[in-house]
Amino acid sequence: GEDVEQSLFLSVREGDSSVINCTYTDSSSTYLYWYKQEPGAGLQLLTYIFSNMDMKQDQRLTVLLNKKDKHLSLRIADTQTGDSAIYFCAESIGGGADGLTFGKGTHLIIQP
Amino acid sequence: NAGVTQTPKFQVLKTGQSMTLQCAQDMNHEYMSWYRQDPGMGLRLIHYSVGAGITDQGEVPNGYNVSRSTTEDFPLRLLSAAPSQTSVYFCASSSLPGQGLNGYTFGSGTRLTVV
Repeated sequence: GEDVEQSLFLSVREGDSSVINCTYTDSSSTYLYWYKQEPGAGLQLLTYIFSNMDMKQDQRLTVLLNKKDKHLSLRIADTQTGDSAIYFCAESIGGGADGLTFGKGTHLIIQP
Repeated sequence: NAGVTQTPKFQVLKTGQSMTLQCAQDMNHEYMSWYRQDPGMGLRLIHYSVGAGITDQGEVPNGYNVSRSTTEDFPLRLLSAAPSQTSVYFCASSSLPGQGLNGYTFGSGTRLTVV
């Protein structure tokens, strides 16, 4: 079955890079996503990567995909206090028609 | 530009009551889905729809019904509320692959408490 795994917590110092990791089990995933959730809010799509890509960069965000190891990572450069949130990794199969499978989320904690 | 609108934002129900959580999107998206978010569990898929008139079950469908009579609306019905359905519910919609931004847009959520 589908399963997406993430570490529950990550603590980094302000200004450092944050790397949030995710593993997934379904090799037929077509899109992989990173969502951000701030306290009491909904989910904000940060970025996504198609399964035939290895890397995608968008301003401070870099997504790396290792299909062989079924490993996805999100790197946030120059982490700021506003980056403090829960980050969810999610996968879709078949273009997303049947919804998304989410990891449990990684709490990113920023130390001053 | 409303996006995905969920109502109500908060609701308290008594055990056994029924209610409908509303979800509407104005982006002409074909795909819509409902999730529940519980502490330490992430988001779990309840039901989803690939277009008007078509719905299917997700990971945790028991106790919930859905219908999709129009492209815009995808209501979620709780038939007989139970304390185990206390959760935050999110509705989301997405365009078809290759048609605009890929990825689901989420509503702001409905916080439901069943007592």
